[in-house]
Amino acid sequence: QVQLQESGPRLLKASETLSLFCTVSGDSIKTNYWAWIRQPAGKGLEWIGRVSATGNTNYNPSLKSRVTMSIDTSANQFSLRLSLVTPADSAMYYCAREQGGDDSIDHWGQGILVTVSS
Amino acid sequence: QSVLTQSPSVSEAPRQRVTISCSGSSSNIGNNGVNWYQQIPGKAPKLLIYYDDVLPSGVSDRFSGSKSGTSASLAISGLQSEDEADYYCAAWDDSLNGLVFGGGTTLSVL
Repeated sequence: QVQLQESGPRLLKASETLSLFCTVSGDSIKTNYWAWIRQPAGKGLEWIGRVSATGNTNYNPSLKSRVTMSIDTSANQFSLRLSLVTPADSAMYYCAREQGGDDSIDHWGQGILVTVSS
Repeated sequence: QSVLTQSPSVSEAPRQRVTISCSGSSSNIGNNGVNWYQQIPGKAPKLLIYYDDVLPSGVSDRFSGSKSGTSASLAISGLQSEDEADYYCAAWDDSLNGLVFGGGTTLSVL
């Protein structure tokens, strides 16, 4: 059974860098893509980007200048860094497994609520 | 403004059938598979349909998906109160080189 668990700070100040980690169990991180999706309170889903085991990345163009994703195959973990955060970056952040063939997101973490204060 | 367009809300009575639509363009729905997600308030989304019309294991066959050109639809038959949720479509966008979501449709079962 594939499980994903987000971890990281839940409260940041504007201009700081958000760093989140996702630990994967029940599957090898050496296959598939591993993605981050966020959802501001009361709003829809926004795909932030994805990383593969080889380190290939795809980012949402609207966030690309501030986003870095990386992967640690030895720890079965991947991460998100989002620089220069503002209150608009406050959201529930989900890590997830994304199938490369059809881009479906078939396993999601429970989410971590991140709040950015001004 | 989402790249994929969905109606904000839809409502229907129990045991009836409802259709939720998703409109895109040739760079996303028109050239790639559409996936559908169900999100119950307070929970993480759940994959309902992938590759336009394929049900993952464990998903009720009351759910079905279809696609025509640059539009896709999710149908739910035999509506139950437990189907009340937000539904999102998603597809890869070749122009943006990324995954795009619809704005979501809130389903109310009256």
